[in-house]
Amino acid sequence: GEDVEQSLFLSVREGDSSVINCTYTDSSSTYLYWYKQEPGAGLQLLTYIFSNMDMKQDQRLTVLLNKKDKHLSLRIADTQTGDSAIYFCAEKNYGGSQGNLIFGKGTKLSVKP
Amino acid sequence: KAGVTQTPRYLIKTRGQQVTLSCSPISGHRSVSWYQQTPGQGLQFLFEYFSETQRNKGNFPGRFSGRQFSNSRSEMNVSTLELGDSALYLCASSGPGGTIPYEQYFGPGTRLTVT
Repeated sequence: GEDVEQSLFLSVREGDSSVINCTYTDSSSTYLYWYKQEPGAGLQLLTYIFSNMDMKQDQRLTVLLNKKDKHLSLRIADTQTGDSAIYFCAEKNYGGSQGNLIFGKGTKLSVKP
Repeated sequence: KAGVTQTPRYLIKTRGQQVTLSCSPISGHRSVSWYQQTPGQGLQFLFEYFSETQRNKGNFPGRFSGRQFSNSRSEMNVSTLELGDSALYLCASSGPGGTIPYEQYFGPGTRLTVT
């Protein structure tokens, strides 16, 4: 079945780069997303990558996709304390309806000053 | 454009009771999805509605139900509440006009506590 796995915690120092990793099992995934959730808030879409891409860069965010290993990563450059949040990886598989995303359990990023 | 709104934000109920949560999508969005978020299970898909029809359903018992109205507002209902139903219930809407494929816009959630 479909499954998305993430490590639960990551701690970095302000100014360092953060790398959050995710693995997925559904080879028919078409789009993969990274969402951010701050305390007491809903999820905010950060970026996405189409499954035929290897890399996507968006300002401080870099997404890398290794389709062979079904591995996705999110790199945040120059991490700031405001980046402290839970980050979710999500996949949308081919043929799935618009509203059905499969999420990982989230990685809690703590940024120390 | 106003975002997705959910009411109420917080709710405390007793085991055995039932509860109704409400979600108003972004204007123009016709798809509304519901997710349950718990520390142990993470985010799990409950169901999706589009134009008043349930288009997809997750793996939850029949105690969880939903509906969508002609104005795209959606409600979900949980009957015979159990302690394990305590969670953050998130609603997300999607629709035309966005730049990101299948982007879902999430509301702030309803925190349900069952005692």
